[in-house]
Amino acid sequence: DIQMTQSPSSLSASVGDRVTITCRASQSISSYLNWYQQKRGKAPKLLMYAATSLQSGVPSRFSGSGSGTDFTLTISNLQPEDFATYYCQQNYNTPFTFGPGTKVDIK
Amino acid sequence: QVQLQESGPGLVKPSQTLSLTCTVSGGSISSGNYYWSWIRQPAGKGLEWIGRISTIGTTDYNPSLKSRGTISADRSKNQFSLNLSSVTAADTAVYYCARLTYKSSWNWFDPWGQGTLVTVSS
Repeated sequence: DIQMTQSPSSLSASVGDRVTITCRASQSISSYLNWYQQKRGKAPKLLMYAATSLQSGVPSRFSGSGSGTDFTLTISNLQPEDFATYYCQQNYNTPFTFGPGTKVDIK
Repeated sequence: QVQLQESGPGLVKPSQTLSLTCTVSGGSISSGNYYWSWIRQPAGKGLEWIGRISTIGTTDYNPSLKSRGTISADRSKNQFSLNLSSVTAADTAVYYCARLTYKSSWNWFDPWGQGTLVTVSS
């Protein structure tokens, strides 16, 4: 199985901040990387697919980069509704695997 | 707009079989470049992919389940289901169903159902 790691596991930030979350795969996955946002008590929501493609309806303050083993999700100008947990997920092969999550909370 | 809704017992006894159904509205489970998946999340923990079923009924599963999982579809009801046998407390989790969309070689889970909590306890 491809192991996914994320850093940091949690961070505190303020509204208006720029936030960067890192995801690393245990082997090269090209650009087969998705990002999800999960709010407390809710299902995950797709933010980005193919590492850099923004899902329809997702604000442009979200952006993704990377390929191979190292990826980042950046949230520019953090908004109150962005406080949530973020997960990366590889879709290079099955079993599909997720990172452990990064919780973004209010400073 | 496609919507998914999980249903099933919230409490299952150890060693028994967990059975959940996902009802899909706004689209057919029999068409399109899609698979239909189950994913679970223990309380306070991360996400684990369980398995998927294609529009023509082919399936594959996470080996971590050790062959305990079966996903099937009822096309007349536009539903797909998960059976997980020989459950233990470690199977206690929120279970989500989700559509797995394929576009070229890329794929992603969207949308998701709201999730249903299943507790394994005697």
